[in-house]
Formats: sequence, C-alpha cells, structure tokens
Amino acid sequence: DQQVKQNSPSLSVQEGRISILNCDYTNSMFDYFLWYKKYPAEGPTFLISISSIKDKNEDGRFTVFLNKSAKHLSLHIVPSQPGDSAVYFCAASRYNFNKFYFGSGTKLNVKP
Amino acid sequence: KAGVTQTPRYLIKTRGQQVTLSCSPISGHRSVSWYQQTPGQGLQFLFEYFSETQRNKGNFPGRFSGRQFSNSRSEMNVSTLELGDSALYLCASSLQGAANEKLFFGSGTQLSVL
Repeated sequence: DQQVKQNSPSLSVQEGRISILNCDYTNSMFDYFLWYKKYPAEGPTFLISISSIKDKNEDGRFTVFLNKSAKHLSLHIVPSQPGDSAVYFCAASRYNFNKFYFGSGTKLNVKP
Repeated sequence: KAGVTQTPRYLIKTRGQQVTLSCSPISGHRSVSWYQQTPGQGLQFLFEYFSETQRNKGNFPGRFSGRQFSNSRSEMNVSTLELGDSALYLCASSLQGAANEKLFFGSGTQLSVL
C-alpha cells in the first residue's frame, strides 16, 4: 500500500534557481514528515522534518511546507547547488507506530 | 561517533539459498529498522526491533526474518531466495524508535540473486 507518493521520478534545475520537490500522502493519521537525501552508494541522510501541527519549517536553504487539507508536502531548495544533486525521499510516520512510510524518490539534477 | 555499519556491502547468491545481513547501530541507539529499496519502489519497511523485541513488521513474506541482540546489533535473514529479492537492504538506527525521531542509515547491503 503506497501511502506516500512522489509522482516525479526526476527533476532538473539550473544552479541558483529554486528546486521544488513534491510529495503526497493518503493517510490522514500521519503526524510527522521527513525528507532524506541519498547519494549513490550511500545510505539516506536526514535533511529536514515537520510536525503536523506546523505548516512550514525552515533550515538554511531548505524549507518544507505541509498542506494537511491537501495531504501534500513539498521541499524547497533555494538557491539550488550542484552538490544538491541526489535522490530525495519523503517519509511519514504516525505517533506510536515505529515505522516510516517512504515515497519512491525524486532524482534531482542541478546543472552548473 | 561511528555511524551505522552494515556488512557485507555486496552479496551474490543464487535462487533457493539463504542469506544473513548484519547491522551495527550507532552506539546508544536501541532501535534498529530494516528497509528494502528497489528501483521505482522507494524504501519498503521490513521490521523494527527495540530491546531485542520486534515491535513492528511490514508486508513481507515469512522468508524475511530478523533478530536483535542485547548489544542492539541486528541481523536480517532471507531464506529460499527469489530473483525478486534482489535489492538494496538498508538498516537504520535511532535512539528509541519514536515516530518523531530521525533515522540514521547505513550504506546498505546490495543483494543480487541469480
């Protein structure tokens, strides 16, 4: 059951511009959302998270937006850098449930 | 602080064989989770262990099993391997395994079943 979906397998952006990665979920009980970044031959690394009681969380160049009514979250990277080129996974969890649901990932390519 | 260590990095097996993967979490982390990553499917949750007890399990057949030792190290076993089991298996650890804790992932074990 794919409860978290990333419908764009890939995204290409020019260096210095904004990258917007999208994620949709179906389970309204999710209350915590995270973004991970993955380089080839490495495990995913945590990037940024947001609780369902918020609609925005910012950390440097990275901002995550949550729209609970639309069951949609997005990750904005401004400005995008070539080092941001990686696969980005969104993930969701429910309080007291020790498992995360991951999307299928979006491969971001930032062109110099 | 050392990160999450997974061994081996690569494995090649044939159908019908069994395989055991190992994961050493970050020191002090008591929760270990396992995920399977295949192209186009993202990360699929296999199971989560905390204090040697399996607390949660994903939708995988019984051929997939795991365990956790008293030092929090974990092993995952796949019996009667099938071609479709070829994937990257990722182990992740966290302090308590709470829903609002970030996971720390190892580099994974790439399993190829021929």
